[in-house]
Amino acid sequence: GENVEQHPSTLSVQEGDSAVIKCTYSDSASNYFPWYKQELGKGPQLIIDIRSNVGEKKDQRIAVTLNKTAKHFSLHITETQPEDSAVYFCAASGNYGQNFVFGPGTRLSVLP
Amino acid sequence: DTEVTQTPKHLVMGMTNKKSLKCEQHMGHRAMYWYKQKAKKPPELMFVYSYEKLSINESVPSRFSPECPNSSLLNLHLHALQPEDSALYLCASSQNPYTVPDTQYFGPGTRLTVL
Repeated sequence: GENVEQHPSTLSVQEGDSAVIKCTYSDSASNYFPWYKQELGKGPQLIIDIRSNVGEKKDQRIAVTLNKTAKHFSLHITETQPEDSAVYFCAASGNYGQNFVFGPGTRLSVLP
Repeated sequence: DTEVTQTPKHLVMGMTNKKSLKCEQHMGHRAMYWYKQKAKKPPELMFVYSYEKLSINESVPSRFSPECPNSSLLNLHLHALQPEDSALYLCASSQNPYTVPDTQYFGPGTRLTVL
């Protein structure tokens, strides 16, 4: 089955700096890669996603890149703000779109 | 609107109690999910309903019993739980379980404590 690894497990950055979180997946059949942000006491919120036929996608300060050959994808957050502090989960999904496999999560702290 | 609502927000129950968690969405989504999330861990899939029929059961113990009365509602009935079942229970929904990709939208969760 699919296995998703995520690094780093914790990340601290100064406000205004960039943050990068990397995920690798094992199943070459996976073709959809969402990123979720989870704040304390809340459910995961979708922040960006990418499909396997696209190499990069941007939404304001957030971007995701995908390297299908190497089977890894990354989340890039620029000009970080304290409200970006949260746990971020990557996920991979294959032909059975229901079956998301989540990475273990990255706790991002943005220091003012 | 991509809102999934869950009630109650918090639940404390004894090991002999019977309780239910409720999830609702009005986005016309035809797939609904239950996840369990322990502290500092990612969500773990428990059940998937596709078009109101149970399509995935990830070997969940029978003390958890899901129910999908209609396309907008999803319940999780709890009976004879163990303290290790204490966790955040998340509901999610997605538009069409037979298309890929199918983005899942999560509710805020129910924080369950079993004494």
